[in-house]
Amino acid sequence: AQSVTQPDIHITVSEGASLELRCNYSYGATPYLFWYVQSPGQGLQLLLKYFSGDTLVQGIKGFEAEFKRSQSSFNLRKPSVHWSDAAEYFCAVSPSGGYQKVTFGIGTKLQVIP
Amino acid sequence: DVKVTQSSRYLVKRTGEKVFLECVQDMDHENMFWYRQDPGLGLRLIYFSYDVKMKEKGDIPEGYSVSREKKERFSLILESASTNQTSMYLCASSFGQGINTGELFFGEGSRLTVL
Repeated sequence: AQSVTQPDIHITVSEGASLELRCNYSYGATPYLFWYVQSPGQGLQLLLKYFSGDTLVQGIKGFEAEFKRSQSSFNLRKPSVHWSDAAEYFCAVSPSGGYQKVTFGIGTKLQVIP
Repeated sequence: DVKVTQSSRYLVKRTGEKVFLECVQDMDHENMFWYRQDPGLGLRLIYFSYDVKMKEKGDIPEGYSVSREKKERFSLILESASTNQTSMYLCASSFGQGINTGELFFGEGSRLTVL
């Protein structure tokens, strides 16, 4: 069965600092990988996704993520964090074919301090 | 833009009541999903549907049922609400198998409190 691990439940960074949120997945083949963001009281919004090809993918709001097959990782990065990036971030995985069942990690809550 | 609308943002119900959570999407998506979100547990799949009148159990279906009579509408039903069903419920939709990329489009959520 597929699974996702987000080892950091809560991260605090200073505004303007760089950010990396970790995600490890377990799946037998190459999966589809996603990062979603949830602002307080809202639903989830897709930040970026990886299906195949270039292992470095760009998303919205200046985020990027890198797929590393050897490490089963899909870490999210941003070079300079803004106060508006404070939110909860979810990594997700789904099979690359057939019906799609998306499995989510438990989320990482990002706090941004001035 | 894809719009997934959940009928109620906040509900307060009493133990034993029957609860309906409604979700409507306007993108003609084949797939629809119900998740519940709890702190420290992330999102857990309750039920999903790949077609009208079709449903599949997710990871935590106990205590829930669903209905999909029309393509755009997917309802979650709590036959007899219990306090451990107090949670945030998120509806999502996605394209069908032919062009399915796995990307989910979410509603804003329904926060249910069962007293």
